[in-house]
Amino acid sequence: EAQVTQNPRYLITVTGKKLTVTCSQNMNHEYMSWYRQDPGLGLRQIYYSMNVEVTDKGDVPEGYKVSRKEKRNFPLILESPSPNQTSLYFCASSFGWGQGAMGDYGYTFGSGTRLTVV
Amino acid sequence: KQEVTQIPAALSVPEGENLVLNCSFTDSAIYNLQWFRQDPGKGLTSLLLIQSSQREQTSGRLNASLDKSSGRSTLYIAASQPGDSATYLCAVRRSRDDKIIFGKGTRLHILP
Repeated sequence: EAQVTQNPRYLITVTGKKLTVTCSQNMNHEYMSWYRQDPGLGLRQIYYSMNVEVTDKGDVPEGYKVSRKEKRNFPLILESPSPNQTSLYFCASSFGWGQGAMGDYGYTFGSGTRLTVV
Repeated sequence: KQEVTQIPAALSVPEGENLVLNCSFTDSAIYNLQWFRQDPGKGLTSLLLIQSSQREQTSGRLNASLDKSSGRSTLYIAASQPGDSATYLCAVRRSRDDKIIFGKGTRLHILP
C-alpha cells in the first residue's frame, strides 16, 4: 500500500531532550515536507526537500533540523525541544514536478505525530 | 506572495442539504489544486486533485471546480451526511517554485 509512515504517533518529552520523528514513504517521491499544525494557525511548513541531499527552509524552521540521505526517509530532528514546539506534526510527500505521470502530483500525508514538550 | 483563503471558516448545515465550500488563491500560476478532508486530530485525506488544465473533478457526492483565471475553486458536496463533518482544506501547488500552499480550512458541521 502506498503510504507515508510517521513514528511515533504520540510523544511526550521534556524540555531540552533531543528527539527525532521519522518519516518514510514507499512511493519513490522526490518531494517531502514537514508541517506543524496549531489551532487557528493552520498548516505551517517547517522544512522541505526536493530530492536527496537537497533541503530548504519553510515558513517556521527555527528549532528544527532535517536530513535527506535517502529518497524514502526524511526525519525531523528537534535538538533542544521547547514547550512552544508542542504541536501536531505531519510529514507529506509527492512526485517532484516532471517526475510523475499526469495526475500523480497530489500530496500524500502521514497520520501525524502529536508532540508534547513539558 | 501566494495566499490561499477559505471562506467561511466554519459552516453548519442540516443533513441532506447540498453545500459549496470556497477556496481562492492570489497567484494563478499553479500546477494543480487539491482538496483534503481532516478529522479532528487526524491526518489529511486527499479528496480531489485538479490539474491546472482541468475545470473540474468528481468523486461520488463530491465535485470540485477550478477557475484558474479568477483564482477560485469550489468543492460541492451533494446530499450532505453527518459523516461529512470535518475540516476541509484546499492547497495549490505553485508553479514558479513547486511550493504547496494551504488554506486554513473550513470546519463543516452537518446537523442530524
